[in-house]
Amino acid sequence: GQQLNQSPQSMFIQEGEDVSMNCTSSSIFNTWLWYKQDPGEGPVLLIALYKAGELTSNGRLTAQFGITRKDSFLNISASIPSDVGIYFCAGREVTGNQFYFGTGTSLTVIP
Amino acid sequence: NAGVMQNPRHLVRRRGQEARLRCSPMKGHSHVYWYRQLPEEGLKFMVYLQKENIIDESGMPKERFSAEFPKEGPSILRIQQVVRGDSAAYFCASSARAPSANTGELFFGEGSRLTVL
Repeated sequence: GQQLNQSPQSMFIQEGEDVSMNCTSSSIFNTWLWYKQDPGEGPVLLIALYKAGELTSNGRLTAQFGITRKDSFLNISASIPSDVGIYFCAGREVTGNQFYFGTGTSLTVIP
Repeated sequence: NAGVMQNPRHLVRRRGQEARLRCSPMKGHSHVYWYRQLPEEGLKFMVYLQKENIIDESGMPKERFSAEFPKEGPSILRIQQVVRGDSAAYFCASSARAPSANTGELFFGEGSRLTVL
């Protein structure tokens, strides 16, 4: 099946720093979604992207749909302690039903 | 406006027993997806259903697992004769639109955590 490569696997940053993570696929996607998951909870949708090149913001979060349609990026500016968690990308192929998920980026913010 | 509701949140079963996990989608959503998550891993697709129809079950194990989404009531993921390897978090997600609409977002429930002793 489809494999989404998400990197980095983990990040340890100081409060106030910016964060970048990305996801790449082996096939073309028509939708990218970014989620945050806290321990013991379900994934919470952060940003949805539907067009190549699209850049969308949600507060301090910004995500982009790569122009090749095989990648996506998530940036978090001025990180705060509550940003701690695991971030997942998810993408769907043009004729697909399911969303494939990345392996996650674990973010730790040091106050 | 309630989100996706799953129950039970935690379920303990002995090997050989049956597990039933329930999911009520968000109001107005008729598309339901089930995913499984093992510790320290991402979510793996299992099945996609619309009301009364299984659309894509390519991620479901061939044996012991079944899913339904009846005309009335929640979607059910059923695991018969559970084994220790079935221990995982099972998440349900719902969407208002079909995948072909190209604008469907997935909203997840809190998950059901199955432990098989």
